[in-house]
Amino acid sequence: DAKTTQPNSMESNEEEPVHLPCNHSTISGTDYIHWYRQLPSQGPEYVIHGLTSNVNNRMASLAIAEDRKSSTLILHRATLRDAAVYYCILRKTANAGGTSYGKLTFGQGTILTVHP
Amino acid sequence: NAGVMQNPRHLVRRRGQEARLRCSPMKGHSHVYWYRQLPEEGLKFMVYLQKENIIDESGMPKERFSAEFPKEGPSILRIQQVVRGDSAAYFCASSPEKTWEGRGEQFFGPGTRLTVL
Repeated sequence: DAKTTQPNSMESNEEEPVHLPCNHSTISGTDYIHWYRQLPSQGPEYVIHGLTSNVNNRMASLAIAEDRKSSTLILHRATLRDAAVYYCILRKTANAGGTSYGKLTFGQGTILTVHP
Repeated sequence: NAGVMQNPRHLVRRRGQEARLRCSPMKGHSHVYWYRQLPEEGLKFMVYLQKENIIDESGMPKERFSAEFPKEGPSILRIQQVVRGDSAAYFCASSPEKTWEGRGEQFFGPGTRLTVL
């Protein structure tokens, strides 16, 4: 499986932008880049995903390098509620039982601490 | 709309007992995934099911673990003869029947925290 590399931890101040990097040098052409986050004692939550172009949604922006070997999740204004573990995942399309489906492989993620 | 529901939220079992974890997917979702998160580790895929079918169980331990998703009712992850190493958080996720290529967003439940004494 293609692997992602993220810093173990990052810190930010409230109201400031946060850039969370992810390296995925072995990404294949059909892998989508997904980001999930996990707040303490909760299940993971989808944040954003992309393939080649930069993406924006209400939660964050995703900047994808031209060669797709890295990406950056951008939180425009961090809040205390954004403190979580952020996972960068390469979503592979798997096939089994005549079904095509997405398989998520979680790494260690980045622990984001937000200071008031 | 109710999200993915899991129960119980906390489960304590003694070694050798059975653990049954239940997952009700979001309304309209017919795909269920189970993940396990050991202490201080990331989530590991265990099994993917559609209604009445196991599609991919490549992450499931070969012994003592089984999963089902019957036509009616919740998905069940069953662990027989639990051991201390089974202590973990078990998360269920669901996705809609038709997920277009690439999106494949999975909606996660709050998890069941299993403690084996």
